Amino acid sequence: ETGVTQSPTHLIKTRGQQVTLRCSSQSGHNTVSWYQQALGQGPQFIFQYYREEENGRGNFPPRFSGLQFPNYSSELNVNALELDDSALYLCASSLETGTYGYTFGSGTRLTVV
Amino acid sequence: AQSVTQLGSHVSVSEGALVLLRCNYSSSVPPYLFWYVQYPNQGLQLLLKYTSAATLVKGINGFEAEFKKSETSFHLTKPSAHMSDAAEYFCAVRTHSGAGSYQLTFGKGTKLSVIP
Repeated sequence: ETGVTQSPTHLIKTRGQQVTLRCSSQSGHNTVSWYQQALGQGPQFIFQYYREEENGRGNFPPRFSGLQFPNYSSELNVNALELDDSALYLCASSLETGTYGYTFGSGTRLTVV
Repeated sequence: AQSVTQLGSHVSVSEGALVLLRCNYSSSVPPYLFWYVQYPNQGLQLLLKYTSAATLVKGINGFEAEFKKSETSFHLTKPSAHMSDAAEYFCAVRTHSGAGSYQLTFGKGTKLSVIP
């Protein structure tokens, strides 16, 4: 069984630019969640996708958006990047309500300069 | 709202000593609780989870945790620390995020150092 794969592993962007991060879910999982982990902090929930629709969102502005595809993979898009968006972005996949746990990818380290 | 509090942002133990990482939860409903470990520059790895079955939960790498409702606690323990246990540990509770969906709400983490 394959785990969660995220790409790219690292990237550097300039303030005001847009970025797209990608995530392939674990085989058999149909739900994808995204988390932002700032340096020295615990992960913060951004949003969740199930059946290609966003069905849960944390306290993040609309410039954070996403997609889920029929194969359950997902994208996180961030527009108008700000310096505070610099963080590790983690993708987690699960089976629906997460009763059986959440599998995390290794993350994408985004640096905004 | 459901939340977790991890006591101690940094814990140091000697190699071979008991590891005890503390987590207290706040929840109005029976919680689902998780412990994750994060090694430097890596993602989160699930150590163990409590989903309302046995109160003593055994995980990977010799870790275990006991759910104590009366104390609203879910502390993580390991009898004998290894150098390879040095990492950051996160306690998390599954939280309802609307429309039948759930999220994980994490504590701020505890960094474990193991002294040779």
